[in-house]
Amino acid sequence: DAKTTQPTSMDCAEGRAANLPCNHSTISGNEYVYWYRQIHSQGPQYIIHGLKNNETNEMASLIITEDRKSSTLILPHATLRDTAVYYCIVRSPTGTASKLTFGTGTRLQVTL
Amino acid sequence: EAQVTQNPRYLITVTGKKLTVTCSQNMNHEYMSWYRQDPGLGLRQIYYSMNVEVTDKGDVPEGYKVSRKEKRNFPLILESPSPNQTSLYFCASSSRSFTGPAFFGQGTRLTVV
Repeated sequence: DAKTTQPTSMDCAEGRAANLPCNHSTISGNEYVYWYRQIHSQGPQYIIHGLKNNETNEMASLIITEDRKSSTLILPHATLRDTAVYYCIVRSPTGTASKLTFGTGTRLQVTL
Repeated sequence: EAQVTQNPRYLITVTGKKLTVTCSQNMNHEYMSWYRQDPGLGLRQIYYSMNVEVTDKGDVPEGYKVSRKEKRNFPLILESPSPNQTSLYFCASSSRSFTGPAFFGQGTRLTVV
């Protein structure tokens, strides 16, 4: 699975959009980009995933650049409950299907 | 409600006393995994199972055992716990579909003294 690089931490004001970047410059054509988050010491929570098209669900939007070397997770209206560590993960369909390789993630702090 | 349930949530035990952490999922998922999370090391996979009676080692399997006798259950067994197994443990499950998301339990905080 390709390596990802994320900023260590970010701040966001409540109500504003939180844009979390992820660099995955070595991603290969069949690898998906996944985002999970972990609130305090709870179990990681799936947010969204995509291959090359932008994706949106009830939690967030995922923007993947045309060259697929980077992506951005967007929380459109961040709330205090969005304070968490956000993990960007790249997965290959040819790898161990059940394994997720977590990096260090981005610690997002949402403030009043 | 779709969920992965781990028990216990907190456990303090002594070195060498065998223990089992249970994990159960109600989503009929084929894949189940165990991870441990340690400060500075992130989440690391211990064991995984692709179906009933099919298990394999992850990245840090030493000192752990697992079994998968039923699809819904995937217990983690520490035959002789040691202090270096003090950690936060998570069970996860996912469907056979590669792109399906993984669902995690709420975690078990284990302390071995």
